[in-house]
Amino acid sequence: GIQVEQSPPDLILQEGANSTLRCNFSDSVNNLQWFHQNPWGQLINLFYIPSGTKQNGRLSATTVATERYSLLYISSSQTTDSGVYFCAVRTGGTSYGKLTFGQGTILTVHP
Amino acid sequence: DAGVIQSPRHEVTEMGQEVTLRCKPISGHNSLFWYRQTMMRGLELLIYFNNNVPIDDSGMPEDRFSAKMPNASFSTLKIQPSEPRDSAVYFCATNRGGLGYTFGSGTRLTVV
Repeated sequence: GIQVEQSPPDLILQEGANSTLRCNFSDSVNNLQWFHQNPWGQLINLFYIPSGTKQNGRLSATTVATERYSLLYISSSQTTDSGVYFCAVRTGGTSYGKLTFGQGTILTVHP
Repeated sequence: DAGVIQSPRHEVTEMGQEVTLRCKPISGHNSLFWYRQTMMRGLELLIYFNNNVPIDDSGMPEDRFSAKMPNASFSTLKIQPSEPRDSAVYFCATNRGGLGYTFGSGTRLTVV
């Protein structure tokens, strides 16, 4: 099956710093999402981004499908950004099918 | 839109008891997924349905686990009998063809 690797595994920042999280995947995908799992355990969808670039406030994401990677940018980080960030991908020719998750990046933002 | 609704939020049960987790998908979402999250194994897919039909149950760990989707608005995941190693957070997620997946808030299961 497809392999999804995220880096770095852990990241510690001071409030206000910027960061880049990376997701590499081993095969062609037809769906890629970034999720934030907050300290209460909820999985919040950040971006649905199988290709291209999107921005939402301080967050943006870019997926280069031909090179099999995606990047999540967090600017001017806040303590509420702390949690685990997951990249998840779907392969195959259907519009449904399972998402395969990476192991996540644990982000801690200190005040 | 109330999102994907899971119940209960927390469940504590004794080893050997039957546990039933419930999920109400977003209206119009025709695919439903059950995931399990543990520290050791991360997020892993147990089973998924499309148009109420089970498509892939290869992630179901053993015969003690079963899932049903009797109609488009309800699904259950049952563990019978439960064991301490089943302790995890169980997520339900739904998807409408070609779009992003939405996850419920999860059920934290503790088997003692």
